[in-house]
Amino acid sequence: AAGVIQSPRHLIKEKRETATLKCYPIPRHDTVYWYQQGPGQDPQFLISFYEKMQSDKGSIPDRFSAQQFSDYHSELNMSSLELGDSALYFCASSPGTSGYNEQFFGPGTRLTVL
Amino acid sequence: AQSVAQPEDQVNVAEGNPLTVKCTYSVSGNPYLFWYVQYPNRGLQFLLKYITGDNLVKGSYGFEAEFNKSQTSFHLKKPSALVSDSALYFCAVTPRGGTYKYIFGTGTRLKVLA
Repeated sequence: AAGVIQSPRHLIKEKRETATLKCYPIPRHDTVYWYQQGPGQDPQFLISFYEKMQSDKGSIPDRFSAQQFSDYHSELNMSSLELGDSALYFCASSPGTSGYNEQFFGPGTRLTVL
Repeated sequence: AQSVAQPEDQVNVAEGNPLTVKCTYSVSGNPYLFWYVQYPNRGLQFLLKYITGDNLVKGSYGFEAEFNKSQTSFHLKKPSALVSDSALYFCAVTPRGGTYKYIFGTGTRLKVLA
């Protein structure tokens, strides 16, 4: 079965650089969520999209932006990177916005900021 | 503030013994409840969920969970642990009627000893 695809899997950046993380949801899933998991921490919600519109926003820094495209893939853009942005970034997708549908997670992008 | 608690950072159990990983939540209404497992350098894998109905739900790999509304708990259980069950387990809760972003617990590391 098709799964959520995230690219790249690993990314190393310097402070103040920019990064773009990509997420390709499971086919026919129109809802995408982004989470950030710091070392030894639980995943924290960043932002979500439904039908290409932002549906919710969590503790996402103003330096970050995201969008969902017409093919439902999503990109998380991160600028002026800081050391504290080093984390595992997960994308998850689900069909529709009914909460009884579980979210399917991608393998994550591990971002290291030096 | 809404929160999810997993009171044990680590649970050790002998192979073949029953295991329990605890989860309690403080979320308004009747939220949807989920359990996920995370293996090293991997994404979150869905195990099971409680939406409504029978308080005992069965999921993947022989896991089950018991929902207790009065205690606002959703403990994960397995009758006979395997060494391969050793991983990090997250309880996730999403309030009904919102955008269904997950609120995660802090995670419990399960170690099954041979």
